[in-house]
Amino acid sequence: EAGVAQSPRYKIIEKRQSVAFWCNPISGHATLYWYQQILGQGPKLLIQFQNNGVVDDSQLPKDRFSAERLKGVDSTLKIQPAKLEDSAVYLCASSLGAGELFFGEGSRLTVL
Amino acid sequence: GENVEQHPSTLSVQEGDSAVIKCTYSDSASNYFPWYKQELGKRPQLIIDIRSNVGEKKDQRIAVTLNKTAKHFSLHITETQPEDSAVYFCAAYNNNDMRFGAGTRLTVKP
Repeated sequence: EAGVAQSPRYKIIEKRQSVAFWCNPISGHATLYWYQQILGQGPKLLIQFQNNGVVDDSQLPKDRFSAERLKGVDSTLKIQPAKLEDSAVYLCASSLGAGELFFGEGSRLTVL
Repeated sequence: GENVEQHPSTLSVQEGDSAVIKCTYSDSASNYFPWYKQELGKRPQLIIDIRSNVGEKKDQRIAVTLNKTAKHFSLHITETQPEDSAVYFCAAYNNNDMRFGAGTRLTVKP
């Protein structure tokens, strides 16, 4: 079974630039999560989708972050404009809905 | 929303000793408690989990206990090995909402 795919694995940008991350969940997984993991901290939920609808985006900084999940499969997370404090690993995870999350390898963002 | 606290933040043990990591949660409706292991530069991977209708679960050298009344759960690793060195995260899940603790960096010294 293929796992959660994410790209790019690494991205370096300057502050005020924009960046987009892509996630392809495990086939059949209705629930998709984007987490932000700052170095030395636990994953922090940014947004959660159930199929193509948003379940929870209460911790998403909506002035600069946006996410979509068209057709209930792939998802993209965008940051525009980026700030220094956005440097982190962005983890995508998917779930059948019974609890267990399967994580992708993550996209490491460095903002200079 | 749910708040998960995890202790200690770092833990160092000698190979062969036991390691215990503890977590508390705030939402009594949480019903699923997984533990993830994350090696440096890798994705978090599920190592064991427990649901709220069970008090203890064991898988070889790893065990998890849950006290619903006190709203805390713990990870126990026995006979630790150097390859157990990693960051461990607990999490609490309720109604599609998974919240993580801050993590414990476990170092097993040979």
